[in-house]
Amino acid sequence: GNSVTQMEGPVTLSEEAFLTINCTYTATGYPSLFWYVQYPGEGLQLLLKATKADDKGSNKGFEATYRKETTSFHLEKGSVQVSDSAVYFCALSPKVRGSNYKLTFGKGTLLTVNP
Amino acid sequence: GAVVSQHPSWVICKSGTSVKIECRSLDFQATTMFWYRQFPKQSLMLMATSNEGSKATYEQGVEKDKFLINHASLTLSTLTVTSAHPEDSSFYICSARSVDTQYFGPGTRLTVL
Repeated sequence: GNSVTQMEGPVTLSEEAFLTINCTYTATGYPSLFWYVQYPGEGLQLLLKATKADDKGSNKGFEATYRKETTSFHLEKGSVQVSDSAVYFCALSPKVRGSNYKLTFGKGTLLTVNP
Repeated sequence: GAVVSQHPSWVICKSGTSVKIECRSLDFQATTMFWYRQFPKQSLMLMATSNEGSKATYEQGVEKDKFLINHASLTLSTLTVTSAHPEDSSFYICSARSVDTQYFGPGTRLTVL
């Protein structure tokens, strides 16, 4: 079956530090890959996505590259802000007809950024 | 674009009563919507997949008679928690699919006394 493994948190950084949250996956075929962010007490927001190998998703200074050879989709940001404090979820969905594009989530990584 | 709303955002009810939660896609049509449950500090647990005009597909271990799902239109799905009990207290989140991406609602906090 499909699975997503992301680095365990919590991750605590100072403002302007570099962020990496590792995510690897196991899936049949070539799934679409996503990063979602959840702020306290809220639902999930789509942060970025990539649908094929070597695609780079980017948004709000965050980036992730779909690496087929290492089955990875690591999230990076060059300079984090206090407002980036949230839980980040890596997820995949199969591109198979009839799958309804069900998401398989990682366990989430709590990021805290201190001023 | 791709905005999903949920109503109510929070609800408190007495044990034994039923609660209905609405999920709407505001600016797109969604043939498929999903209902999740999230426990504190945990990831999302998929409860069911809802396709417009057909019966929902429930995940293993989810009681379909307790969690009634209706997807009557391309922009609205509802989750009714019937005869709620304190163990049903949780954060319920819906999502709506647009092409290959799920967009999530803001969640509903249910507390059963």
